[in-house]
Amino acid sequence: DQQVKQNSPSLSVQEGRISILNCDYTNSMFDYFLWYKKYPAEGPTFLISISSIKDKNEDGRFTVFLNKSAKHLSLHIVPSQPGDSAVYFCAAIVTSNTGKLIFGQGTTLQVKP
Amino acid sequence: DTAVSQTPKYLVTQMGNDKSIKCEQNLGHDTMYWYKQDSKKFLKIMFSYNNKELIINETVPNRFSPKSPDKAHLNLHINSLELGDSAVYFCASGRGGLTQYFGPGTRLLVL
Repeated sequence: DQQVKQNSPSLSVQEGRISILNCDYTNSMFDYFLWYKKYPAEGPTFLISISSIKDKNEDGRFTVFLNKSAKHLSLHIVPSQPGDSAVYFCAAIVTSNTGKLIFGQGTTLQVKP
Repeated sequence: DTAVSQTPKYLVTQMGNDKSIKCEQNLGHDTMYWYKQDSKKFLKIMFSYNNKELIINETVPNRFSPKSPDKAHLNLHINSLELGDSAVYFCASGRGGLTQYFGPGTRLLVL
């Protein structure tokens, strides 16, 4: 019973173009969403988050969009850089539920120079 | 000035052994977590402690026992290791149940 799904295992984009990573969830109780980036042999690094009361949050080249009715969120990276090549995990929390993060299975992004 | 640190980074051991993984955070957070990343790369929560009190205990074999001596430390002890315990174990810390910050992981291989 996977409550958070990232249906694209991998994505390849050209440097300078936009990367769009998608995430779907099933639990309508989720009220906080996060994106993490992970390099090989390292721990996940927090990237950006969004509360369910918002539909967009922006931080530099990274923007997260939330569509609650569709239970869908996406991460946009503009412009993409080779250093962005990593595995990106979407995660969700029910904030009243002790902070239990539920992760998607990850999308491997490759940005080609 | 590492925020969340884990030791050891790599752990190779025989089936049946008992081993411990240590975690420390210097972020002043009140909550610490253990996650397991299995061979399919899924990250799943195992345990969570808030101010030394166990608050999340997922369906994990009782061979796994977390111990929190203080707010800054959460150790994971595993008894009678099995082949299926081979995975990467991540410690994390957070405040207020929102954003969590992860350690570098401990790669456990059971032979």
